[in-house]
Amino acid sequence: NAGVTQTPKFQVLKTGQSMTLQCAQDMNHNSMYWYRQDPGMGLRLIYYSASEGTTDKGEVPNGYNVSRLNKREFSLRLESAAPSQTSVYFCASSELWNQETQYFGPGTRLLVL
Amino acid sequence: AQTVTQSQPEMSVQEAETVTLSCTYDTSENNYYLFWYKQPPSRQMILVIRQEAYKQQNATENRFSVNFQKAAKSFSLKISDSQLGDTAMYFCASATNAGGTSYGKLTFGQGTILTVHP
Repeated sequence: NAGVTQTPKFQVLKTGQSMTLQCAQDMNHNSMYWYRQDPGMGLRLIYYSASEGTTDKGEVPNGYNVSRLNKREFSLRLESAAPSQTSVYFCASSELWNQETQYFGPGTRLLVL
Repeated sequence: AQTVTQSQPEMSVQEAETVTLSCTYDTSENNYYLFWYKQPPSRQMILVIRQEAYKQQNATENRFSVNFQKAAKSFSLKISDSQLGDTAMYFCASATNAGGTSYGKLTFGQGTILTVHP
């Protein structure tokens, strides 16, 4: 039981490049989330998916898109990376009936030059 | 809107001693949840303890316990018998009761770096 997994662990991009961060969970959770973590700040919600087939914006969605591929997988795409998107990105999942208790992946460290 | 404040950027404790991390929050909701997450150097966010606001009894998980003061909107974490493996960043977080298809938005504090010294 791996829990929540994320790929890649670390990525360097040039400004304007695109990439997709992958997230998968094997806990049969309905809800999934993408957060970013910046120095001196807590995590901030980018997008979330309450259940398969639905996605909604969080606190800081600009510059990102998401896809809920199936119940297990939730990807985050940067279409044109900017230095302001340098951050550590966390994926999380939760039960639909207990969305407040979320379980996190190991994070992806992204550096945009 | 919810806010969570951790006023201690860094704390340190000797191994086997007890340390308390502070957290205050603000919410207009009556039904909410509070959490402490641990983030070790590996960066994995690990749920440490969870408290439902409607419960008066303080939550405990082995060496970890909370002091939940609802009127004061305070939610501190006490770590007893500190171990070297407790060295990490600790985040306090709050969430409203999602219900139905609404999501449980987590609001995080800024974090407290805890160092346990041998």
